[in-house]
This record gives sequence, structure tokens and C-alpha cells, in this order.
Amino acid sequence: KAGVTQTPRYLIKTRGQQVTLSCSPISGHRSVSWYQQTPGQGLQFLFEYFSETQRNKGNFPGRFSGRQFSNSRSEMNVSTLELGDSALYLCASSLDVGYAEQFFGPGTRLTVL
Amino acid sequence: AQTVTQSQPEMSVQEAETVTLSCTYDTSESDYYLFWYKQPPSRQMILVIRQEAYKQQNATENRFSVNFQKAAKSFSLKISDSQLGDAAMYFCAYRSAGSSNSGYALNFGKGTSLLVTP
Repeated sequence: KAGVTQTPRYLIKTRGQQVTLSCSPISGHRSVSWYQQTPGQGLQFLFEYFSETQRNKGNFPGRFSGRQFSNSRSEMNVSTLELGDSALYLCASSLDVGYAEQFFGPGTRLTVL
Repeated sequence: AQTVTQSQPEMSVQEAETVTLSCTYDTSESDYYLFWYKQPPSRQMILVIRQEAYKQQNATENRFSVNFQKAAKSFSLKISDSQLGDAAMYFCAYRSAGSSNSGYALNFGKGTSLLVTP
């Protein structure tokens, strides 16, 4: 079974632009979560989606948004990019909303210049 | 909010030896999960082992085992017979097992970088 896939793997943007990252969960998994990883702040939770509904959101500004589609694929969007948004963005999928394990994708490395 | 603390930024172990990585957490919940994730230089997060709080028996996965002390809120990872491929950043993570309305976000520690020397 294929793992979690994330596209693109690398992205370079300039300040003020917006970006959309995509995540395809493991086949059959219906819950998707997003995390931001930076050297300074470590791993921080962004969102959690299940059945196209955002169930939980981390402490991030409104510039960060996301959605989930009926096939469980998820996207996250960051508008008006800032230098501090440079990070590794990790997507994790889980079989169901209460299922213990979350399986991570390879991440998207976003660099904001 | 739950906090996870990994007090060892870096650890070193010789091949074939045993190493223990420490993790403590703070929570008022009684039902939760604890995890150890491994992140090698490829940056892919790999689940190493998980522990349910209601289980007294410590989890074991091949060369990896945990020492779960619920009262002390301690969750250490022991790696036996260390291999060069074990070199990575190791993250301890906490997840609530409670109400579905609160979500199931993972709370991570800052990580411990493990170096394995030949």
C-alpha cells in the first residue's frame, strides 16, 4: 500500500505570495493532520480534518487555511507569505478520527525569500 | 495544554550498545497515547513505538522498548543493539485519547539527536 504523498516536495516563494500544498493520505485513511516543523519552534500542529470537516486547529494566524476533499485528499494554503513561514510542512494520515497512529508523508520544504 | 519535554538535545551510542532516550510530559488527563517517532536525515517521520496509558505493560518493538511510568509522567525509549541506521532525531509525542470533539493532535517534544558511532 502506498504511503502518504505530499506535493510539491520543495517550493520557493517570495514574501507576500501565497502557496498551496497538497497531501494524499494512505488509501482508506480518512483523517488528515498537518504540522509545521521549524528549527526554532519544533513541530507544531496546524489542522486536523476528517470527513471534509476541520475538527481541530492549532495556534496559527488566519493566513493558514486548509480543506479536505471527499476522497480524503487535503490541501493547505498560506496567504501573504512571511519569512517566518519557511518550514517543513508535514502531513499525517490516520485510519479514522480516533485511531491512535498517524503516518507521516515526506513533507514539503517551503522557503520564503 | 499538554507539554512534552525531552531534556537530552543530543545523545551518542556505540554500535551494538544500548541507549536510553528520556521524555517527560505534563497532563491532567488519564487516558492518552504516547509515541516515539524517528526522523532520519531524509526528514521522513517514522513511527517507532506507541504506548496506551491504560496499559501497564511496557510496549516493545524488536530492539525498541519503552519504560512507561505513568505516575511519574515519564516515557523513555531504550534502543538495544544499536545500529548505524538508528542515527536520527527522535521525537516523543503525546496524544489525547479523550473526547472526539477536542481533536487528536500530536504534541511533540523538541527532539533528541542520536549519533551512532562504529
